[in-house]
Amino acid sequence: QKEVEQNSGPLSVPEGAIASLNCTYSDRGSQSFFWYRQYSGKSPELIMFIYSNGDKEDGRFTAQLNKASQYVSLLIRDSQPSDSATYLCAVNDYGGSQGNLIFGKGTKLSVKP
Amino acid sequence: DAGVIQSPRHEVTEMGQEVTLRCKPISGHNSLFWYRQTMMRGLELLIYFNNNVPIDDSGMPEDRFSAKMPNASFSTLKIQPSEPRDSAVYFCASSFRAEGGYTFGSGTRLTVV
Repeated sequence: QKEVEQNSGPLSVPEGAIASLNCTYSDRGSQSFFWYRQYSGKSPELIMFIYSNGDKEDGRFTAQLNKASQYVSLLIRDSQPSDSATYLCAVNDYGGSQGNLIFGKGTKLSVKP
Repeated sequence: DAGVIQSPRHEVTEMGQEVTLRCKPISGHNSLFWYRQTMMRGLELLIYFNNNVPIDDSGMPEDRFSAKMPNASFSTLKIQPSEPRDSAVYFCASSFRAEGGYTFGSGTRLTVV
């Protein structure tokens, strides 16, 4: 059973702090990694993707990938109350239907003013 | 582009009734996915189409569920007969390259009473 694991939270950080969201995955062959943000009652929205080991930065967001450890993370710098949402980690299903993404259950982030 | 369009947004039905959910993917996208989201199980893939052909339907919970994609711009997910445990939010998503991340529709919140 291929799995994507996330701490469900809630993760609470003060406004302006760095929020660190973590994800581990079981399929060693996975090649594509995604972070989605989902506001309450809304649909998931793609915010970052990463394919190679290392860091990828986009504005206040940094995705980090370590394939050897099967670990991917998302850092949010200068957190804002508008960042309060559930963050879903997704990994491509390498061994199965390669087009399929397997999602974690998400980490709920709360940014306190 | 208007994005992925799903209808209806909300559906309340009685147990045993047939339910049909509809999805219009983004024009030019060749992959379409149906997901179900619940608090307990998170986002679960039900079925995945590529170029209108079902590629992986292993997530369809049982024979009561069926999905079709008669052309590149339309897909349906049907539940017959519906049961209370089918209550969830059903998302349709599409992508140009499946490994490139998806765009989700707004979802259909289904309640079976």
